[in-house]
Amino acid sequence: ETGVTQTPRHLVMGMTNKKSLKCEQHLGHNAMYWYKQSAKKPLELMFVYNFKEQTENNSVPSRFSPECPNSSHLFLHLHTLQPEDSALYLCASSQENRAGSGYTFGSGTRLTVV
Amino acid sequence: AQTVTQSQPEMSVQEAETVTLSCTYDTSESDYYLFWYKQPPSRQMILVIRQEAYKQQNATENRFSVNFQKAAKSFSLKISDSQLGDAAMYFCAYRSAMTSGTYKYIFGTGTRLKVLA
Repeated sequence: ETGVTQTPRHLVMGMTNKKSLKCEQHLGHNAMYWYKQSAKKPLELMFVYNFKEQTENNSVPSRFSPECPNSSHLFLHLHTLQPEDSALYLCASSQENRAGSGYTFGSGTRLTVV
Repeated sequence: AQTVTQSQPEMSVQEAETVTLSCTYDTSESDYYLFWYKQPPSRQMILVIRQEAYKQQNATENRFSVNFQKAAKSFSLKISDSQLGDAAMYFCAYRSAMTSGTYKYIFGTGTRLKVLA
């Protein structure tokens, strides 16, 4: 058990579909993050939630819509995606009043847009 | 703005040998944390080791150790007695030590480590 669980593990969707990625943590962390990992690129921070409040939206296109209903759950709603959105989407959590604690990551969702 | 640079896209090491992965960073802050994360083929990124900038002593975790040179802004990872299970992508990351607000981690582009049997 990693502490951060992401579902689904793999997702193939058409450009006109609507789907959602789910992330769940039971570590008692108060911050959650969505990252996009593409080949040969640095990890791209997409969204940050601190105590359920979105504190950062890193110029992410509106076809990605995050939702954080409570401090344990984070969703990423997807609609009308483009092929270039195909990537590994990683969720992470941390305890933000303990700066040195580091992230705990999930295993990611491998998204393929066709 | 802080940056993290990993100049080695790929490294290879013979099993049981020692390898060093390089990381440099740029910051104007005096207090921060540095991390090395490992991402095996299973994709989950795992924290390998962390270093607090105000501590001069290099962090060590079993076969993993760092060479932290604050003045040079260098933070290399040494893996001793390399094992096949060490094969993975390794990411260096920086985080401010400030605890007010939410601070993102800055990641390098990663180094792919291959371990040869």
